[in-house]
Amino acid sequence: GAGVSQSPSNKVTEKGKDVELRCDPISGHTALYWYRQSLGQGLEFLIYFQGNSAPDKSGLPSDRFSAERTGGSVSTLTIQRTQQEDSAVYLCASSETGFTNYGYTFGSGTRLTVV
Amino acid sequence: SQQGEEDPQALSIQEGENATMNCSYKTSINNLQWYRQNSGRGLVHLILIRSNEREKHSGRLRVTLDTSKKSSSLLITASRAADTASYFCATDQGNSGYSTLTFGKGTMLLVSP
Repeated sequence: GAGVSQSPSNKVTEKGKDVELRCDPISGHTALYWYRQSLGQGLEFLIYFQGNSAPDKSGLPSDRFSAERTGGSVSTLTIQRTQQEDSAVYLCASSETGFTNYGYTFGSGTRLTVV
Repeated sequence: SQQGEEDPQALSIQEGENATMNCSYKTSINNLQWYRQNSGRGLVHLILIRSNEREKHSGRLRVTLDTSKKSSSLLITASRAADTASYFCATDQGNSGYSTLTFGKGTMLLVSP
């Protein structure tokens, strides 16, 4: 696609429910990244995909968080048993390679609110 | 963990003035990048400076990098109301066959007409 697409743009969920966030990167971009941004804060790295594999999952905050990428394209971030502290904007980015020389292209994010 | 730390946290100026934002980091880097974020949504890549470069220009943007001081600055000249946004520096410290960007907390810039 022309840009990185994320859905839904907003999600309100009840505490304890599971949520799935979707990211569709730019066609041909092999690298995909998930970040989380809490209110007024910087970006917190969650996970990096190269193709379908995830060489770096070091940022996933707990085992309630998981992510997968299929066909070297679409990625899904799943949060199980959501907690109020999971409320944040979840940002996805992609780049041509696993190196940062060309910068990242970000999607518009999913604003998750856990009530 | 945070690598880049921007300074100031917030900056308010008038249209036509210059805006300078600073970024400090802790460990050696491959490159440093600046991004802009409007309304708390997606970030837009502005400019990248490599560790062996000292200064780079792009339109009204000027970035400097001082690796001895582990710091960078972003200068926006002749600012416009449309420049109102949050600006983030991001550092690439990768040395294991791939790299990821570590972002700071950002500087919120307000440009008043």
